[in-house]
Amino acid sequence: DAGITQSPRYKITETGRQVTLMCHQTWSHSYMFWYRQDLGHGLRLIYYSAAADITDKGEVSDGYVVSRSKTENFPLTLESATRSQTSVYFCASSGGGEADTQYFGPGTRLTVL
Amino acid sequence: GEDVEQSLFLSVREGDSSVINCTYTDSSSTYLYWYKQEPGAGLQLLTYIFSNMDMKQDQRLTVLLNKKDKHLSLRIADTQTGDSAIYFCALEAYSGAGSYQLTFGKGTKLSVIP
Repeated sequence: DAGITQSPRYKITETGRQVTLMCHQTWSHSYMFWYRQDLGHGLRLIYYSAAADITDKGEVSDGYVVSRSKTENFPLTLESATRSQTSVYFCASSGGGEADTQYFGPGTRLTVL
Repeated sequence: GEDVEQSLFLSVREGDSSVINCTYTDSSSTYLYWYKQEPGAGLQLLTYIFSNMDMKQDQRLTVLLNKKDKHLSLRIADTQTGDSAIYFCALEAYSGAGSYQLTFGKGTKLSVIP
């Protein structure tokens, strides 16, 4: 079924480990985004991508790495996880269509012990 | 950068109208959005308004934009228990080279009392 999916939905890891969160969309949208949602902070942009091989930092990019070798995939890697990266992570995509609407995935709940 | 403020909680009785407010600092956004987040789910676009409009109505939803006061509101008529969720105000800002970003408020948790 078409849409935007994230995997895994839940992840528990330990401090210092590398973790990769996956995001896949089937609409061939040009734009993709990663946000984190924390109590008291709302959603904050981590990284975004305007097209394959084009990425740029958002508000809270330290400690995260992204890649976009294919239009449909936008993985987010935590190179050395820290407890402060415990959060819910949302991926979104946009085709720049009506009102530049962003469509969100279901989220990944990450816990760093 | 853009600062977007919302009150954190709102409680209304079923059948009443709900009004969720948002204030912002940067007036250059082309689009202003309202997203809804149900428990355990991602954000879903509810509605949006173009910056040259003052009002937009979509069934039970009414969006009001006061550009002078930099104030955006979402009114939900005949609020139902299924409207219980977190509502986010978001503004679009261009970041150069054809890219744009959304800046979100912290969200208003709407609780509907049966």
